[in-house]
Amino acid sequence: SQELEQSPQSLIVQEGKNLTINCTSSKTLYGLYWYKQKYGEGLIFLMMLQKGGEEKSHEKITAKLDEKKQQSSLHITASQPSHAGIYLCGAAEVDSNYQLIWGAGTKLIIKP
Amino acid sequence: EPEVTQTPSHQVTQMGQEVILRCVPISNHLYFYWYRQILGQKVEFLVSFYNNEISEKSEIFDDQFSVERPDGSNFTLKIRSTKLEDSAMYFCASRRGPPGELFFGEGSRLTVL
Repeated sequence: SQELEQSPQSLIVQEGKNLTINCTSSKTLYGLYWYKQKYGEGLIFLMMLQKGGEEKSHEKITAKLDEKKQQSSLHITASQPSHAGIYLCGAAEVDSNYQLIWGAGTKLIIKP
Repeated sequence: EPEVTQTPSHQVTQMGQEVILRCVPISNHLYFYWYRQILGQKVEFLVSFYNNEISEKSEIFDDQFSVERPDGSNFTLKIRSTKLEDSAMYFCASRRGPPGELFFGEGSRLTVL
């Protein structure tokens, strides 16, 4: 079955700096979701990407899906303390009823 | 803004007890899901539900688990006889149809003692 690899596992970034988180699959992704989670809490939807080459932005967060639909990146510009948390990528498997498989998450810490 | 609501937010139970976790999906959504996350681990798919029946389930979703949509609004997950390893955050999710945003509830934390 499909596996999602997220990198890095954790990231410490100075406030105001940019950062990128990656999510990679060995197979073509049918749909790619990015969520944010505070440790032990709920999942906050960030973005969903479906088409190869698609890019979406919301405030200072931009997500891209490559043309092959096997890799996605999440880029945060001018990071703020509110960006701290765990970022999860989830992907829909083809021919499923849209259950998602998940990456292990990237823990982001913002240093003031 | 419509949201998925889950109750209880936290439940503590003794091993062997039955637990029911409740979810109210967004009203015009047709697909419903349960996921769980053991603390510090990946989110794992449990079951999907469409048209009043289970459409997919994972290996985790064994005979101890069941789901039900008893009325037009609630979607429940029942664990018949809880085990220590059932301790996790359980997330309910719903969506209107494929493809589309999957809306998650805030989760129900289950602690089995």
